[in-house]
Amino acid sequence: GENVEQHPSTLSVQEGDSAVIKCTYSDSASNYFPWYKQELGKRPQLIIDIRSNVGEKKDQRIAVTLNKTAKHFSLHITETQPEDSAVYFCAASRTRANAGGTSYGKLTFGQGTILTVHP
Amino acid sequence: GAVVSQHPSRVICKSGTSVKIECRSLDFQATTMFWYRQFPKKSLMLMATSNEGSKATYEQGVEKDKFLINHASLTLSTLTVTSAHPEDSSFYICSAGTGFPNQPQHFGDGTRLSIL
Repeated sequence: GENVEQHPSTLSVQEGDSAVIKCTYSDSASNYFPWYKQELGKRPQLIIDIRSNVGEKKDQRIAVTLNKTAKHFSLHITETQPEDSAVYFCAASRTRANAGGTSYGKLTFGQGTILTVHP
Repeated sequence: GAVVSQHPSRVICKSGTSVKIECRSLDFQATTMFWYRQFPKKSLMLMATSNEGSKATYEQGVEKDKFLINHASLTLSTLTVTSAHPEDSSFYICSAGTGFPNQPQHFGDGTRLSIL
């Protein structure tokens, strides 16, 4: 099955600095890569995602890059703010079909990165 | 849009009790729902995939008779932890998808289960 490795496990930056989190995946058939932000005791929230037909996607201060050949993807946060402090999870998904023929995407998550942004 | 509601948010009960957790998609039809378990400071571990109208697909190592999943409609899936014991204490989170591949999953708020 799919295996997703995420690094670093903890990341501490000063406000205004950039933060980069990296993930690698094992299944070359994976074709969808979301990133989630989870605050303590709360639900994971999707912050950005990328599909395998593009190499980069940006949304304001957040960007994601994907290298299909090397099977790795990265999250970049610029101009970090204290409210960016949270746990970030990468995930990889490939299309699967159930017995009834319905297709769905099964997510495999990385181990998570605790990001702390110091004021 | 894409709101997933999960109830209850917290349960504290005695060992041996069965606990039911509900996951509802409020504004879309979820042909597929997923149940995860999350230990403190750890990642989300997929327990099972629930497809409307068919049996759930359980991940390796997850006991089917222990964690009963029912997905009777396009907006509701339930997870029942049967005869719960202290080692079942955890944070359980559901997510729902539209059924289209390469589309986001939307998560519920999670249920903190504590077995005494």
